Amino acid sequence: AQKITQTQPGMFVQEKEAVTLDCTYDTSDPSYGLFWYKQPSSGEMIFLIYQGSYDQQNATEGRYSLNFQKARKSANLVISASQLGDSAMYFCAMREGSSNTGKLIFGQGTTLQVKP
Amino acid sequence: DVKVTQSSRYLVKRTGEKVFLECVQDMDHENMFWYRQDPGLGLRLIYFSYDVKMKEKGDIPEGYSVSREKKERFSLILESASTNQTSMYLCASYRTGTPFNQPQHFGDGTRLSIL
Repeated sequence: AQKITQTQPGMFVQEKEAVTLDCTYDTSDPSYGLFWYKQPSSGEMIFLIYQGSYDQQNATEGRYSLNFQKARKSANLVISASQLGDSAMYFCAMREGSSNTGKLIFGQGTTLQVKP
Repeated sequence: DVKVTQSSRYLVKRTGEKVFLECVQDMDHENMFWYRQDPGLGLRLIYFSYDVKMKEKGDIPEGYSVSREKKERFSLILESASTNQTSMYLCASYRTGTPFNQPQHFGDGTRLSIL
């Protein structure tokens, strides 16, 4: 069965440093997509970055990049030059290629705190 | 921009009450979802709907029902609220046929407390 695992309940990072948030997944579908969302304390879910299973290059969006290791089934989010505003909960999610409803499976989430 | 609106940010109800959580989207999306979010468990899918009057159970449907009478509105119903349904509830929508890399669009969430 499809599954997403985030093993870090909480992380701390010093402002301006880089941080990696881990995400591993399990699926038997050769076609899938991986999404990262940010949830500030206010509660809204903000889409950050996407990686497709057939993408040849790791995705990047500004200070966010994805370290995609397909053989290891991992899709870790890297945030460079952390800012205080990056303090939030981060969720990894997966969509299988067989889904046309847009259905997502989410991980448990990682709370990131950026220290000044 | 897609707008998904949840009727309440905070809601306090009593055990045994029938509770309605409403979600409206303005982009004619076919698919709508209800999740609950709990610490350490992430987002878990309660129900989703892929068309008017069509619904499918998610991973944790027990104690909940849903209604989708109009395309833009998806309601989550707690038939007889219990304290273990105290949680954050999130609604999302998605258009069928959208490129695969498009995310679901979320509302701002409803923090529900059952006393």
